[in-house]
Amino acid sequence: EPEVTQTPSHQVTQMGQEVILRCVPISNHLYFYWYRQILGQKVEFLVSFYNNEISEKSEIFDDQFSVERPDGSNFTLKIRSTKLEDSAMYFCATGQSTDTQYFGPGTRLTVL
Amino acid sequence: AQKITQTQPGMFVQEKEAVTLDCTYDTSDPSYGLFWYKQPSSGEMIFLIYQGSYDQQNATEGRYSLNFQKARKSASLVISASQLGDSAMYFCAMRESISSGSARQLTFGSGTQLTVLP
Repeated sequence: EPEVTQTPSHQVTQMGQEVILRCVPISNHLYFYWYRQILGQKVEFLVSFYNNEISEKSEIFDDQFSVERPDGSNFTLKIRSTKLEDSAMYFCATGQSTDTQYFGPGTRLTVL
Repeated sequence: AQKITQTQPGMFVQEKEAVTLDCTYDTSDPSYGLFWYKQPSSGEMIFLIYQGSYDQQNATEGRYSLNFQKARKSASLVISASQLGDSAMYFCAMRESISSGSARQLTFGSGTQLTVLP
């Protein structure tokens, strides 16, 4: 069964450094999302992407964040200058339609 | 106001018994979808079941069923014949404006930690 994959599984970085989180969607999926979950808290929406552009973004998704689909397959989330409070599990989700969102296994980001 | 409310932070159920996890939601949008996800201790988010606001019948997927009471804005997850592997955090989520065709966000509840006892 096809799955959403994410790399790396765990990223440790110094505050102020740039990180890029990568997601490989299920091949025929058209809708892409990033969410994050701070330890012990609920899952929070960051951004959604459809037809090569951002559909929707939350207040969390400020100028430090960006997304792109550089080669038509990978879907990336970049954090330009990480802060301590960016430490969280970051989930990519993809869907063939608006009815479903399948989540990847997540990338645990630790900012020191 | 919370869009998704899960009032049971923790639930216990005996193996092989059925359990109902509650979820209420708040929206004025006539077109929405409700989702349930399972998050085991390993951290991944596993899609379980989906119910659209216009669906006439309650959704079912194997041992999972969704008790959708539209007038009460309630979408409870029923797990029949609980197994030890069902022990996990369960999240209810809602997507509004499903008819728009755009990539709209899911709004999640705070989750219910289910523990299945042997």
